[in-house]
Amino acid sequence: DTEVTQTPKHLVMGMTNKKSLKCEQHMGHRAMYWYKQKAKKPPELMFVYSYEKLSINESVPSRFSPECPNSSLLNLHLHALQPEDSALYLCASSPGSYTGELFFGEGSRLTVL
Amino acid sequence: QKEVEQNSGPLSVPEGAIASLNCTYSDRGSQSFFWYRQYSGKSPELIMFIYSNGDKEDGRFTAQLNKASQYVSLLIRDSQPSDSATYLCALIYNQGGKLIFGQGTELSVKP
Repeated sequence: DTEVTQTPKHLVMGMTNKKSLKCEQHMGHRAMYWYKQKAKKPPELMFVYSYEKLSINESVPSRFSPECPNSSLLNLHLHALQPEDSALYLCASSPGSYTGELFFGEGSRLTVL
Repeated sequence: QKEVEQNSGPLSVPEGAIASLNCTYSDRGSQSFFWYRQYSGKSPELIMFIYSNGDKEDGRFTAQLNKASQYVSLLIRDSQPSDSATYLCALIYNQGGKLIFGQGTELSVKP
């Protein structure tokens, strides 16, 4: 069982909707990540939070808004998405920053109609 | 441009054989190297990491790193059908870098 929990597992939304993806870890990790993955492609980094502060934003469109309420929680707020934003959104955590030893959640499968 | 190159496959091997997955990278500043396994419809899972030149063994898996030639490989001995997955090579640079993934190699182990 994964120790990084993502909800919801599946989400269908219209282009005018506002929704949020949630991620939680209880491993005491200090860095948390959002990745986007399209079919047959590797994960693409979106955001990194280190010690609850945004440390990397990979020039992601503003319709994606991350939030880290505390060291265990990570949210991704979605607004006015496009159909091309349909993908698997993966949350990950790591013990510290700038390490490649990531623990991924099971992902949230997003479909934008 | 910092890149990680992998043969996308699919790589097909018979059960019990050795599967060899290779990865090359362009930046000599790369310091840490990782292999992730991703089953279809699942999330990536870290299976090996290697930081120093040479071999690192963990059960049926051996990671090999050659920094002079800028390649890293993963050997899977006694391959099983349950090893069928996409294997992602990834690396991180020395100074506050992000994890960069290769395109992944799809491995199919035939019974």
